[in-house]
Amino acid sequence: QVQLVESGGGLVKPGGSLRLSCKASGFTFRDYHMSWIRQAPGKGLEWVSLITSGRSPIYYADSVKGRFTISRDNARNSVVLQMDSLRADDTAIYYCARHYVDFGFFDYWGQGKLVIVSS
Amino acid sequence: EIVMTQSPATLSVSPGERVTLSCRASQSVSTNLAWYQQKPGQAPRLLIYGASSRATGLPARFSGSGSGTEFTLTISSLQSEDFAVYYCQQYNDWPPSYTFGQGTKLDLK
Repeated sequence: QVQLVESGGGLVKPGGSLRLSCKASGFTFRDYHMSWIRQAPGKGLEWVSLITSGRSPIYYADSVKGRFTISRDNARNSVVLQMDSLRADDTAIYYCARHYVDFGFFDYWGQGKLVIVSS
Repeated sequence: EIVMTQSPATLSVSPGERVTLSCRASQSVSTNLAWYQQKPGQAPRLLIYGASSRATGLPARFSGSGSGTEFTLTISSLQSEDFAVYYCQQYNDWPPSYTFGQGTKLDLK
């Protein structure tokens, strides 16, 4: 069955960096686009970044452009979100999610990883 | 950016009731609209895509409708396991800038 398992996350000071990883299993990873979506505590969902199946093109939300970098390793079935210059408003649960075929919605989600940006 | 607005923010309902949730887009998204259900401490779960297509395994009591800017998610007879927060999401934008509504929470009356 499809599984997405995030790792990384934790507490970081403002201006710091953090790396999230998502390990996929149960499907042919290289065939699917992948996204990161976040949810601030008690708030709604915000799409963060998309990496297409072939690793390019890549897209970011304006709120993270220039600070976050998404990448994938199709041999290791993993997608990574490198987060730099973190701010307090980046505090959220970060979900890794699989796109349904080539469409812009998400049929499988990881369990999420909490990132807290605080001094 | 396309803004998605859901109403109401909270809906107090009883099991067995018919429930209709609304989602409005600030500009047309055609039928590029998905619905998700999220329970406390869990990741969202895909319910509906293409405005009206049910995800695999979704009970028939869930249905979606609409196109353009107005969409609805209907639960024909609410079950206890349906108490959750429901989000709509548009995926019409290109380059992608997927946006979600702020959510509608179903509360026990």
